[in-house]
Amino acid sequence: AQSVTQLGSHVSVSEGALVLLRCNYSSSVPPYLFWYVQYPNQGLQLLLKYTSAATLVKGINGFEAEFKKSETSFHLTKPSAHMSDAAEYFCAVTDSGTYKYIFGTGTRLKVLA
Amino acid sequence: DAGITQSPRHKVTETGTPVTLRCHQTENHRYMYWYRQDPGHGLRLIHYSYGVKDTDKGEVSDGYSVSRSKTEDFLLTLESATSSQTSVYFCAIRMGTELSEQYFGPGTRLTVT
Repeated sequence: AQSVTQLGSHVSVSEGALVLLRCNYSSSVPPYLFWYVQYPNQGLQLLLKYTSAATLVKGINGFEAEFKKSETSFHLTKPSAHMSDAAEYFCAVTDSGTYKYIFGTGTRLKVLA
Repeated sequence: DAGITQSPRHKVTETGTPVTLRCHQTENHRYMYWYRQDPGHGLRLIHYSYGVKDTDKGEVSDGYSVSRSKTEDFLLTLESATSSQTSVYFCAIRMGTELSEQYFGPGTRLTVT
């Protein structure tokens, strides 16, 4: 069965510092992985997705994520945090043969001035 | 913008009353989903649909039913609302082909008193 684990329900970084949000997955078949962002009182927006074309995926707003099969990880990074990055971030997984997506429990990012 | 709207956006209801939430899309996507979002749980799938009159249960389907009589509308019904169903409900559609990302509606905040 598929699963997603996001380590750290809350992460705080200083403005200008590196952002690292962790996601580990479990899947018996090649997974397809997604990162979404949710701003207060809004729905989720796609940041980026991995669909096996390249292990380093670039997304919107300067975010990127690297798929590491050996570590079953898909961590989200951004070199320099901005105040506008404060939001909740969700990792999700799906694979071929299913219509379903499994979401992690989310990581709330706080950016300190 | 995937043209997803949800109604109502906010609702307060009493325990034991029936409640129906509506999700409407304008682009004829085949797959539609209902999730609930609760602190510490991320997004959990309630029901999904893979075509008109074709629906299936997700991981937290007890107490909920759905209907899809037209491609554009996916209804979620709480037959007899309970306080444990107080949550934020999101509708989503799957774009394009298998393994595509989802797009989410703005959410409905439901409070059961």
